[in-house]
Amino acid sequence: QVQLVESGGGLVKPGGSLRLSCAASGFTFSDYYMSWIRQAPGKGLEWVSYISSSGSTIYYADSVKGRFTISRDNAKNSLYLQMNSLRAEDTAVYYCARADYGDYDILVVWGQGTLVTVSS
Amino acid sequence: QLVLTQSPSASASLGASVKLTCTLSSGHSSYAIAWHQQQPEKGPRYLMKLNSDGSHSKGDGIPDRFSGSSSGAERYLTISSLQSEDEADYYCQTWGGFGGGTKLTVL
Repeated sequence: QVQLVESGGGLVKPGGSLRLSCAASGFTFSDYYMSWIRQAPGKGLEWVSYISSSGSTIYYADSVKGRFTISRDNAKNSLYLQMNSLRAEDTAVYYCARADYGDYDILVVWGQGTLVTVSS
Repeated sequence: QLVLTQSPSASASLGASVKLTCTLSSGHSSYAIAWHQQQPEKGPRYLMKLNSDGSHSKGDGIPDRFSGSSSGAERYLTISSLQSEDEADYYCQTWGGFGGGTKLTVL
């Protein structure tokens, strides 16, 4: 079945780096736009970044621009989020999500999330 | 800038119906949205895509009790025959953003 599994979360000090991964299965990964969304403790959902099916089009939220880098490896059915210069306000559960076929804006599949905690 | 506005909370009795609203900001009334459900301590779950004409397509396994409709810039999610497991946060979503979410309490 269609599945997204995130990994790579953990505890990191302010200013540190972390790389999140999302393993996709059950669909043709290279056909779909993919996104990272995060949720700070007790807060709502925030779209962090998205990447087109080929990787040629990328978007970042202003809050992470210049610090985070999204990428994908279609041969490995994997999505990544490289997070640098981490701040306390980046503490959140990070979800990867897949868009609907032919869409870039409607998210239809979610992973279970991975927790990132930025603290000294 | 596209903004999605939701009421922070709603409540309804077990077995009753409830209608949640998501309002698109001015100039964006033609946009489709998605509705997502997030039960306590769980990740979000896609419910449906809802178009401006009210047509909608639901995710796999979403019960018939969940339906969507549209009017102008408003997008609605109606849940009928409320069950205890419907108590959750509901988010609308479109390009680049989410509404603030509505916390639904089932009485």
